[in-house]
Amino acid sequence: DIVMTQTPLSSPVTLGQPASISCRSSQSLVHSDGITYLNWLQQRPGQPPRLLIYKISNRFSGVPDRFSGSGAGTDFTLKISRVEAEDVGIYYCTQATQFPWTFGQGTKVEI
Amino acid sequence: EVQLVESGGGLVQPGGSLRLSCAASGFTFSSYTMSWVRQAPGKGLEWVSTFSGSGDSTYYADSVKGRFAISRDNSKNTLYLQMNSLRAEDTAVYYCVGSLDYWGQGTLVTVSS
Repeated sequence: DIVMTQTPLSSPVTLGQPASISCRSSQSLVHSDGITYLNWLQQRPGQPPRLLIYKISNRFSGVPDRFSGSGAGTDFTLKISRVEAEDVGIYYCTQATQFPWTFGQGTKVEI
Repeated sequence: EVQLVESGGGLVQPGGSLRLSCAASGFTFSSYTMSWVRQAPGKGLEWVSTFSGSGDSTYYADSVKGRFAISRDNSKNTLYLQMNSLRAEDTAVYYCVGSLDYWGQGTLVTVSS
């Protein structure tokens, strides 16, 4: 199974300041079709997860442009350019390149 | 508007069975890969099972293989998860997921005597 490792696990942030979360996979996430199925999810308190970023760097519908994703191969990053209060929650990276799909441990972003 | 509405959760004794349902609307259900993902209380996310949108391929986590069965009825836009031989460690909120794009609100399954 592909192991997804996130750092940090907790990220105190200041409103208006940037934040960054790293995700490393135990093996390359490049699929045989050439696509890297690395996604980022946000889970606000008491809510189900929602998709933020898919295929490394594509923002899902309705996601503010302060969220951005980057990376390649086994190393990936989620950045929030200016943290807002509504960004509080837990962020997960997840790979859908191969079964079983796996998730990072989650990074708690708190003000 | 996309909606995924899970039902069927509840309290069940160890060794018992439950059948979860997920009613989908607002997107072309038949073409979507559909999955179940669970989250134990206070824990992270765990993928459980996937039914492909093309063909009839199904996939299971090792932790549920042989005990759970995923199915879908495209005529009813509904996804199912038949859960047998339930264990305490299956206690979780079960989310219905469309690709990874769309998530339901979840249904709580509690396995306890």
